[in-house]
Amino acid sequence: QLVLTQSPSASASLGASIKLTCTLSSGHNRYAIAWHQQQPEKGPRYLMRVNSDGSHNKGDGIPDRFSGSSSGAERYLTISSLQSEDEADYYCQTWGTGIWVFGGGTKLTVL
Amino acid sequence: EVQLLESGGNLVQPGGSLRLSCAASGFTFSSYAMSWVRQASGKGLGWVSIVSGGGGSTYYADSVKGRFTISRDNSKNTLHLQMNNLRAEDTAVYYCAKTSGVTVTGIDYWGQGTLVTVSS
Repeated sequence: QLVLTQSPSASASLGASIKLTCTLSSGHNRYAIAWHQQQPEKGPRYLMRVNSDGSHNKGDGIPDRFSGSSSGAERYLTISSLQSEDEADYYCQTWGTGIWVFGGGTKLTVL
Repeated sequence: EVQLLESGGNLVQPGGSLRLSCAASGFTFSSYAMSWVRQASGKGLGWVSIVSGGGGSTYYADSVKGRFTISRDNSKNTLHLQMNNLRAEDTAVYYCAKTSGVTVTGIDYWGQGTLVTVSS
């Protein structure tokens, strides 16, 4: 069964860096995922796609502070030089034949 | 610029029906699969349904299968979601989403959402 697992919460200080993790279920470590950001009271925004080889394709206007990487069944979103507007929920998403799956989301707090 | 504008959200009684629409612009609509995703208040994102670029393939989450129907009109660049036999647990903001390919693949653009409330 295709499942994505994310930690419910994370925090880091203003100006610091943080690496969020999305883990694919067993047997699915070749799947690509997409990262989405949802700021408070707003709709989601596409950040990037991260492939199993670690390559990533960012959405329009996404700052260079955001990057993606991969290792085994884990897909990462790294945010450097954290800003107050980065405080948001971050969701990963993947897809298979006739199915989409979202992770439960990670709530990022910028201290 | 890609734009997705949802409409049709409303208050409806349990067992009722509602039709959502999504007007798309800024890209070749028929070349991309489109989807509906929902989010209940305070909860995470949940996939509802997806339709291929040509409209010939449709897929549904188990929770809505048999009650919801996704369709598209490529001549009008519009996506629809017909929702029948609505339940309280269908209450959510419904987002229209564009994918990055003609078949099932990842989302690369989101609409702003439309609120559906199912309550007596």
